[in-house]
This record gives sequence, C-alpha cells and structure tokens, in this order.
Amino acid sequence: QLQLQESGPGLVKPSETLSLTCTVSGGSISSSSYYWGWIRQPPGKGLEWIGSIYYSGSTYYNPSLKSRVTISVDTSKNQFSLKLSSVTAADTAVYYCARRFVVVVAATSYFDYWGQGTLVTVSS
Amino acid sequence: DIQMTQSPSSLSASVGDRVTITCRASQSISSYLNWYQQKPGKAPKLLIYAASSLQSGVPSRFSGSGSGTDFTLTISSLQPEDFATYYCQQSYSTPPRITFGPGTKVDIK
Repeated sequence: QLQLQESGPGLVKPSETLSLTCTVSGGSISSSSYYWGWIRQPPGKGLEWIGSIYYSGSTYYNPSLKSRVTISVDTSKNQFSLKLSSVTAADTAVYYCARRFVVVVAATSYFDYWGQGTLVTVSS
Repeated sequence: DIQMTQSPSSLSASVGDRVTITCRASQSISSYLNWYQQKPGKAPKLLIYAASSLQSGVPSRFSGSGSGTDFTLTISSLQPEDFATYYCQQSYSTPPRITFGPGTKVDIK
C-alpha cells in the first residue's frame, strides 16, 4: 500500500523559507504514470494546489505562488520536497503531499494518494 | 485560469436523503473533473474521477455526472459516515493549472 508522509518544521518565522519533505513508501517515485504534488489548506478554508513534479524533475507551479515556490525530487531517497520563500502569516496552512495519477489515454489526472498533512504556522 | 464554483456552500440533510452538489467551471473542461471527500482533520479522499468514474473502494451510492462546465455529485442515500466537506477539482488545463472548488459542507439536519 502506497504511503506518503510529510515532514518538516511546524513553525516558520515571517520572511523565512518554509521547507517540507514528502517520503514515499510502498512504491517507487520513479513510476512513469505519476506526478507528485503539494496542496495546502489554510485553517478553516479550502484546498489550494501549490505545484507538481515528475520524477525526471519537470515541474508545474501555481502561477500565484510560482515566484516563491521550488519543488524538487530525490529519486534515490524516494522523496520530493517543497520550498516556499518569503513566507507570511497567509502561508499558515496544513500542507499535504499527494500522488497525481495521469491517465494518458484519457488525458485526465487525479490525486489518488495523500499524506496525512502537516500544519505549518508562520509566526515570530 | 479556470475558476471553479460549487453550490450550495453548505447543506443540512438527514440519513437516507438523496443529496446533490453542483460544480461549475468558468470554461469548458470536458470531463476532466474530480470529486473529493474530506472529513475534519483528515486528508481529502478521491471519490469520482473523470466526472463519472467511481474510484475503487468507494461505495456505489456516490455518483458523478456532467461535462463541459456543469457537473454534479450525487449521494443516493446519505449515510452517517458521509457527513463531510466535498470538493470538486479540474484537471483540464495544459500545462497543469489545477484548481479546486471552494467546497460544500454536508452536515446533519
């Protein structure tokens, strides 16, 4: 059974960089049908896609966050990571990592496996 | 970017009720629409993909329909474990610009 687990600091100071890692177990991050993504959810609010990465390193970012986001992958560790720079209180959220299954023949995709989420609070 | 709206934003229903949630896209997204269920403190769970395909393991009381700009999620007979928030999500854009709807909270009447 595939499992994803987020890890990283739960508290980040304003203007600093938020860094999280997602460790994938029970399957390979290098599988050709999958992208790996980050989604966040501010307390009491909805879901916001941050970005996705393919095992080759190809990335896609939410345009509203693109200037501050870097997503990277380490296939040797079966992990991918998120860095969000210049954070403010508005970046306080539960951050989820998830697998995006791309169905090429149907040209569709969906998030089928999710981590449990980790709360990151931006505060001095 | 493609904007997603959902209606209603919340609803109260009883066990056994038939519940319908609507999702609308700001432009045509063909059938590239997914539905998720989220319970408090938990990660979202995929229910329906490609507008009408039931994810493995999801009860058959859940169904999805629609194409283009208008989509619906239907729960044929609401069960106690179905009280949750439901989100739609489009996967149409190329390159990917994934957007979620604002959510519909289903609670107990």
